[in-house]
Amino acid sequence: SQTIHQWPATLVQPVGSPLSLECTVEGTSNPNLYWYRQAAGRGLQLLFYSVGIGQISSEVPQNLSASRPQDRQFILSSKKLLLSDSGFYLCAWSVKRVSSTEAFFGQGTRLTVV
Amino acid sequence: AQTVTQSQPEMSVQEAETVTLSCTYDTSENNYYLFWYKQPPSRQMILVIRQEAYKQQNATENRFSVNFQKAAKSFSLKISDSQLGDTAMYFCAMTQGGSEKLVFGKGMKLTVNP
Repeated sequence: SQTIHQWPATLVQPVGSPLSLECTVEGTSNPNLYWYRQAAGRGLQLLFYSVGIGQISSEVPQNLSASRPQDRQFILSSKKLLLSDSGFYLCAWSVKRVSSTEAFFGQGTRLTVV
Repeated sequence: AQTVTQSQPEMSVQEAETVTLSCTYDTSENNYYLFWYKQPPSRQMILVIRQEAYKQQNATENRFSVNFQKAAKSFSLKISDSQLGDTAMYFCAMTQGGSEKLVFGKGMKLTVNP
């Protein structure tokens, strides 16, 4: 069966520090991968999605970047965090080219920038 | 561009009653898929129900059903016999055929009161 792992679960980082959130998927190959941010009162915002290794689509210009160094690994990064980067970050995957399929979510990372 | 709008930020309902959550969307495509996700306090995103745009019949899953109005681009979720465990954030989402992009609405907080 497929599983998705996202870590860490919680993170408190000072302003200006770097960030690296990691997400890995097991039990499937060549998935679509997504990073979402859920900020209070702003719902679920798509940040990045990837259809393959090294292929990243950015939805929102911001202080963050994403990379997909391996087929089932998706990393969210920042060189210097801002207070506005605080939020709940969710990684998700879906089966490629099956648009009717659901997305499967990780447990999320609560990021607080102080 | 595809957009999903949930105009009601919050609703409450009494246990055992019926509640309807609204969602509208915009797309220029004829082939697309719609979803309702639930996010309970545990923050784990769970698929509630899905609808293929090419199907005229409204999807149902036990106490959950949708009212899909393609011409009006409306996709509402009806929860019958509401239970305390239905208390959660509910997100409407869509993906277009041929696109790997999955877009969510801002969500709506539903509270079921005893």
